Amino acid sequence: AQSVTQLGSHVSVSEGALVLLRCNYSSSVPPYLFWYVQYPNQGLQLLLKYTSAATLVKGINGFEAEFKKSETSFHLTKPSAHMSDAAEYFCAVITNTGNQFYFGTGTSLTVIP
Amino acid sequence: EAGVTQFPSHSVIEKGQTVTLRCDPISGHDNLYWYRRVMGKEIKFLLHFVKESKQDESGMPNNRFLAERTGGTYSTLKVQPAELEDSGVYFCASSQGYNNSPLHFGNGTRLTVT
Repeated sequence: AQSVTQLGSHVSVSEGALVLLRCNYSSSVPPYLFWYVQYPNQGLQLLLKYTSAATLVKGINGFEAEFKKSETSFHLTKPSAHMSDAAEYFCAVITNTGNQFYFGTGTSLTVIP
Repeated sequence: EAGVTQFPSHSVIEKGQTVTLRCDPISGHDNLYWYRRVMGKEIKFLLHFVKESKQDESGMPNNRFLAERTGGTYSTLKVQPAELEDSGVYFCASSQGYNNSPLHFGNGTRLTVT
């Protein structure tokens, strides 16, 4: 079975500061990993995905994530937070034999001016 | 290309009533999923269609929930009779054929059962 754990349901950063949102996964087979972002009153949008190619994945809006198998992690980072980054972020996992995406509980990011 | 659309965006019903949620996936997407998020918790899988067939409905909470996908196009999710614990945001998502294809989500239907 697969699962995702997102540490920190709420994260606050100052504008211009580093954003780090944590995601750890559990999977008995090689996973595919995704980060989604949800802005208020909108659906989830894909930020980036890892599908067994490069371990450092670059996404939209300056976000990137690194797949670390030894740590079973897929943390999301952005060097400099912008006010428009305030949203809820979800990590998700699926395997090459599965048909379900498993989501974490989400991390709400607040950017302080 | 038009995205995934869901209707209604909000629904407030009383316990015991019936509600039907609709999802129109992206044209050409064979995979259609329903997910639900209860406030503050994770987004949970409900079921998965491939075209008009139910591939996996292991996440459906109970037999008060009925999903259909007519002709492999749009899908409906009916809750009858609704209970208080059914409140939450119901998301529909669609994807192309390969299994690491990302999901494209609708904006969700916020269901409140009073």
